[in-house]
Amino acid sequence: EPEVTQTPSHQVTQMGQEVILRCVPISNHLYFYWYRQILGQKVEFLVSFYNNEISEKSEIFDDQFSVERPDGSNFTLKIRSTKLEDSAMYFCASREGQSYQPQHFGDGTRLSIL
Amino acid sequence: SQKIEQNSEALNIQEGKTATLTCNYTNYSPAYLQWYRQDPGRGPVFLLLIRENEKEKRKERLKVTFDTTLKQSLFHITASQPADSATYLCALRSYNTDKLIFGTGTRLQVFP
Repeated sequence: EPEVTQTPSHQVTQMGQEVILRCVPISNHLYFYWYRQILGQKVEFLVSFYNNEISEKSEIFDDQFSVERPDGSNFTLKIRSTKLEDSAMYFCASREGQSYQPQHFGDGTRLSIL
Repeated sequence: SQKIEQNSEALNIQEGKTATLTCNYTNYSPAYLQWYRQDPGRGPVFLLLIRENEKEKRKERLKVTFDTTLKQSLFHITASQPADSATYLCALRSYNTDKLIFGTGTRLQVFP
């Protein structure tokens, strides 16, 4: 069964450094998302992306965050200057074109900021 | 304010019994309600989606109900097995947005 893949599985970065998290969504999907989950807390929406532009973003997704779909398969999340509070699991998700289709998630990247 | 509530306490049941998990919401009008399973250190795995105008959905041993009057969804696992032990997340989506709003999840433990 097709799945969303994310790399790396664990990223350790010094505070203030830039980090790029990578995702390969399911191939025929058109909508792409990033969520995060701080340890012990809820899964929180960050951003949605469709037709090569951001369609919606949360308050968490400030100027330090950006997303890109550089080619036909990858979808990336960049954090420009990481803070301690950015430490979390970051999940990528994708869905097909019809609005009633569910979002499918990858296994996440654990981001640890030192 | 909008709120989604799931039992924060773990649900412990014996193998073979039916597990019932609850998702309640307030100040929210979801178009779709989805249930996911999450294992430790893994991403949410989609299980079932139910639309606002549907009362019940089934898939193998799983059943979900959606009562928009009570603002509640129930998720049932029949003939539960130890392999069903995981955290189950409820997620809602409205018509005018594409984002999912998640509950905190309920941890299910099935004992042999």
